[in-house]
Amino acid sequence: DIQMTQSPSSLSASVGDRVVITCRASQTITNCLNWYQQKPGKAPQLLIYAASHLQGGVPSRFSGSGSGPDYTLTITSLQHEDFATYHCQQTCRIPTTFGPGTKLELK
Amino acid sequence: QLQVQESGPGRVRPSETLSLTCTVSGGPLNSSHHFWAWIRQPPGKGLEWIGSVYYSGSTYYNPSLKSRVTVSRDASKNQFSLQLISMTAADTAVYFCAGGSFSIGVSGYLEYFPVWGQGTLVTAAS
Repeated sequence: DIQMTQSPSSLSASVGDRVVITCRASQTITNCLNWYQQKPGKAPQLLIYAASHLQGGVPSRFSGSGSGPDYTLTITSLQHEDFATYHCQQTCRIPTTFGPGTKLELK
Repeated sequence: QLQVQESGPGRVRPSETLSLTCTVSGGPLNSSHHFWAWIRQPPGKGLEWIGSVYYSGSTYYNPSLKSRVTVSRDASKNQFSLQLISMTAADTAVYFCAGGSFSIGVSGYLEYFPVWGQGTLVTAAS
């Protein structure tokens, strides 16, 4: 299985900050990397697919980039509703696997 | 707008079988534009893919669960289902059904999950 790691595991930030979350795969994945946001008690919500494509309806302050095994999710100008847990997912190989999550908290 | 919703028991006795159903609305189950999946999340932990069923009828399972899992579909009811046999405490989790989509571009074939049910907590306990 492709193992996914995320850093940091948790992050404190303030409204208006720019944050970057990193996801690393245990082997090269050719942009088959998705990002999800999950709030407590809710289902994950797709933010970014194919590493850099913004899902419809997702604010443009979210962006994704990366290549090879390393990918990033960037949130510019944090809003109150952005404090949540973020998961990355690779779909290059079966089984699709998720990262352990990054919890973004209000400082 | 495509939506999915899980239904099933909230508690299953250890060694027994979990059966969950996912009802699809806002579009046909039998669509070449989507595939369907089950994903679970143990309390306080990360997401684990269980298995998927495709338009062709093909199914794929997580090798860690393959011997215990069946994902099936019923197009006449616009539903797909999960069966997980021999439940243990380790199977206690929130179970999500999801609708998957795919894109074909310069990076090849890519899948993602744009549609999720609200999730249902299943506890394996007597």
